[in-house]
Amino acid sequence: AQKITQTQPGMFVQEKEAVTLDCTYDTSDPSYGLFWYKQPSSGEMIFLIYQGSYDQQNATEGRYSLNFQKARKSANLVISASQLGDSAMYFCAMRGPLDYKLSFGAGTTVTVRA
Amino acid sequence: DAMVIQNPRYQVTQFGKPVTLSCSQTLNHNVMYWYQQKSSQAPKLLFHYYDKDFNNEADTPDNFQSRRPNTSFCFLDIRSPGLGDAAMYLCATSRPGTPRTDEKLFFGSGTQLSVL
Repeated sequence: AQKITQTQPGMFVQEKEAVTLDCTYDTSDPSYGLFWYKQPSSGEMIFLIYQGSYDQQNATEGRYSLNFQKARKSANLVISASQLGDSAMYFCAMRGPLDYKLSFGAGTTVTVRA
Repeated sequence: DAMVIQNPRYQVTQFGKPVTLSCSQTLNHNVMYWYQQKSSQAPKLLFHYYDKDFNNEADTPDNFQSRRPNTSFCFLDIRSPGLGDAAMYLCATSRPGTPRTDEKLFFGSGTQLSVL
């Protein structure tokens, strides 16, 4: 069974600084996909970034980058130059090659301070 | 813009009174999902449709039912809501590939259900 672990329930970050959100996973599948979603207080889950297990380079999407360390089974999200609008809950998720659903971690709440 | 739309945004029902939440999509995706999310927790999958095939999660209570009359619409029926069913209900869609590792979910804005 797959498992996603996010150990940071909440974090504070100063505006314009970078923040790293931790995510570790456990799977026996050699092929899998890793996702990060953002959920603001409005409730909508917003896709941020995707990393495939066979991707050689770390994924980047604007201010979001994924620090993928396959041997350590970690997929940390880095948000650079934090903005007030980044305040939200962030979920790490994983899907295996035959999985019909995403397995979500418990989430990390990020609060950006002005 | 293609999207996933959930109505209503907020729903209040009485204990034991049936309630229906709706979801529509313009993405023409094969798969539609219903998630339940309680405060500050991860979303929990209730069930999903792959085209017309309904797939229930093993731990989803019988109180929860779903209907998908066509590709675009999917409904969540709660037959006798209890206080513990108060939560955010999220609808999502996806277009499956082979393999499914990069299959991204597109979510609606959710319906916040309150049970009085």
